[in-house]
Amino acid sequence: ETGVTQTPRHLVMGMTNKKSLKCEQHLGHNAMYWYKQSAKKPLELMFVYNFKEQTENNSVPSRFSPECPNSSHLFLHLHTLQPEDSALYLCASSQDPDRGRDNSPLHFGNGTRLTVT
Amino acid sequence: QKEVEQNSGPLSVPEGAIASLNCTYSDRGSQSFFWYRQYSGKSPELIMFIYSNGDKEDGRFTAQLNKASQYVSLLIRDSQPSDSATYLCAVTRSQGNLIFGKGTKLSVKP
Repeated sequence: ETGVTQTPRHLVMGMTNKKSLKCEQHLGHNAMYWYKQSAKKPLELMFVYNFKEQTENNSVPSRFSPECPNSSHLFLHLHTLQPEDSALYLCASSQDPDRGRDNSPLHFGNGTRLTVT
Repeated sequence: QKEVEQNSGPLSVPEGAIASLNCTYSDRGSQSFFWYRQYSGKSPELIMFIYSNGDKEDGRFTAQLNKASQYVSLLIRDSQPSDSATYLCAVTRSQGNLIFGKGTKLSVKP
């Protein structure tokens, strides 16, 4: 149990589907993140939310739409995805949005393995 | 130049040996450096962080930082088969973003 729970664990969707990924953290953290992990590529930061406010959007296509209703929940809404969007999507949380502090490492969920057909 | 570079491996060491994992970074303003371990099919988990030049030891793990050379390393002493995983180096950029390397795959042979 990592303290960060992601659902579903696996998702297969067609290019015309709409689906959502869910993340919930039970650690009392203030910041939540979406990362994308593709084969043979580094982890890519997609979105950052700090106290429910989006503070970062790393040029992510609009077919990915994040939502953070409170500091414990984070969603990633997906629509009209492309096959190249197939990847492991990781949610993470941290205590302090200043990631340079020693009390704010990232805690990752187990990820959602997404396949776009 | 890639922001955080790691040799993808695989790095193969015998059980009981020292495994040495290396990482270089491009942003001289980087302040914080992290090592994450990721087992196949699992999420990354933090194993070490270091902020100051020099060595930091935690059990069998030692992180080494040389900011002048923009180099950070992780040593694993008395390597065990259970240490076999991909090790991700992560660096906080000067503006605060955490950037990951591609990771080095370590294989510890019994």
